[in-house]
Amino acid sequence: EVQLLESGGGLVQPGGSLRLSCAASGFTFSSYGMNWVRQAPGKGLEFLSAISSDGSRTYYADSVKGRFTISRDNSKNMLYLQMNSLTAEDTAIYYCAKERGHRQPCDYWGQGALVTVSP
Amino acid sequence: IVLTQSPATLSLSPGERATLSCRASQSVSSYLAWYQQKPGQAPRLLIYDTSNRATGIPARFSGSGSGTDFTLTISSLEPEDFAVYYCQQRSDWWTFGQGTKVEIK
Repeated sequence: EVQLLESGGGLVQPGGSLRLSCAASGFTFSSYGMNWVRQAPGKGLEFLSAISSDGSRTYYADSVKGRFTISRDNSKNMLYLQMNSLTAEDTAIYYCAKERGHRQPCDYWGQGALVTVSP
Repeated sequence: IVLTQSPATLSLSPGERATLSCRASQSVSSYLAWYQQKPGQAPRLLIYDTSNRATGIPARFSGSGSGTDFTLTISSLEPEDFAVYYCQQRSDWWTFGQGTKVEIK
């Protein structure tokens, strides 16, 4: 059974940093690209970042480029999102998701991690 | 690429047919997916590449279109289908539409 479990969310002050982790199991992690997607309270889905299966290629939405860094450790089946210079607009539920194939839509999603940016 | 979904809200009764639209600001070829999201849950992939149902998705869900205009059709609404639906393109990396809420009339 495919499982994705996010951790590392919480309350952070504006200007602060946070690192989200996503533990993957139930599939060959090193064979799939992975994404981070977020959802602000009461809002729609926003694609943030993607990383190729081997970690050699990454992509960022303009809203987080230069502030967020996606990475992965295939030896540990872990996906990460390092978030810096956080603002109130970054308050959201952050989902990690597995691509169903190379640059294809995501067929499995974690339950999400809540990040709240507030003084 | 900007995806515009319409209508914002669709009010229907169980058993009725639902037709949801997604329009792209430029061609996305056939690289259009649909997701369903219920309150407090993660999104669920329904359709990928315009018309292919994801694993375990009932046949009442179907997708069509090409280029810039796409449609998700739910042939006969079941109680569990009332949710928010998002389209997503993967032609130019990824973007989502703003969502269509299907609510009980």
